[in-house]
Amino acid sequence: QKEVEQDPGPLSVPEGAIVSLNCTYSNSAFQYFMWYRQYSRKGPELLMYTYSSGNKEDGRFTAQVDKSSKYISLFIRDSQPSDSATYLCAMSANTGFQKLVFGTGTRLLVSP
Amino acid sequence: DTEVTQTPKHLVMGMTNKKSLKCEQHMGHRAMYWYKQKAKKPPELMFVYSYEKLSINESVPSRFSPECPNSSLLNLHLHALQPEDSALYLCASSQVPGQGAYEQYFGPGTRLTVT
Repeated sequence: QKEVEQDPGPLSVPEGAIVSLNCTYSNSAFQYFMWYRQYSRKGPELLMYTYSSGNKEDGRFTAQVDKSSKYISLFIRDSQPSDSATYLCAMSANTGFQKLVFGTGTRLLVSP
Repeated sequence: DTEVTQTPKHLVMGMTNKKSLKCEQHMGHRAMYWYKQKAKKPPELMFVYSYEKLSINESVPSRFSPECPNSSLLNLHLHALQPEDSALYLCASSQVPGQGAYEQYFGPGTRLTVT
């Protein structure tokens, strides 16, 4: 079993839809959770960063962490065609060094 | 300014060539990273530098040689690569654990093709 599981998609939605992207994980030591957006042939761009449990909102993006269920989510409201990209979740434990464990990424397609 | 820059954007090299990838950040971060990413896969960690010293080498072959000349710069020297080394090479930086937030910021990458 992988440490971090993420549905590869593709996830196809119409413009304006609410998108829900999710990751599950098995390592209860993970405390730092990140979402990255990656356009084709570009580097990952940090979208959201959360420490421990709870919600965080930034514009159209909301990140949720449920440590009791080992489940994290990224919601995108009013999705736009420019949101079409691969979304990677990443997480790490507070063990002295920053080794990120990535999900495989979910490819999102938002059609006009 | 949350920017990490990488040069060159693209690199084509033969298996006998020697080349270098360069990375620069001006965020005051003291941890810097090299990752390798193959198509449709997540980034794989190669090396971590902390305070300009190599902290982690993820059993990377010696044909990849990292160097951190100062706190803003990170190089990856390449020699005698194989075609399977063709990939997107990503640089990232972050605060050092214990000194604040842990998020890593990535550069745009260098797309390497080995012929």
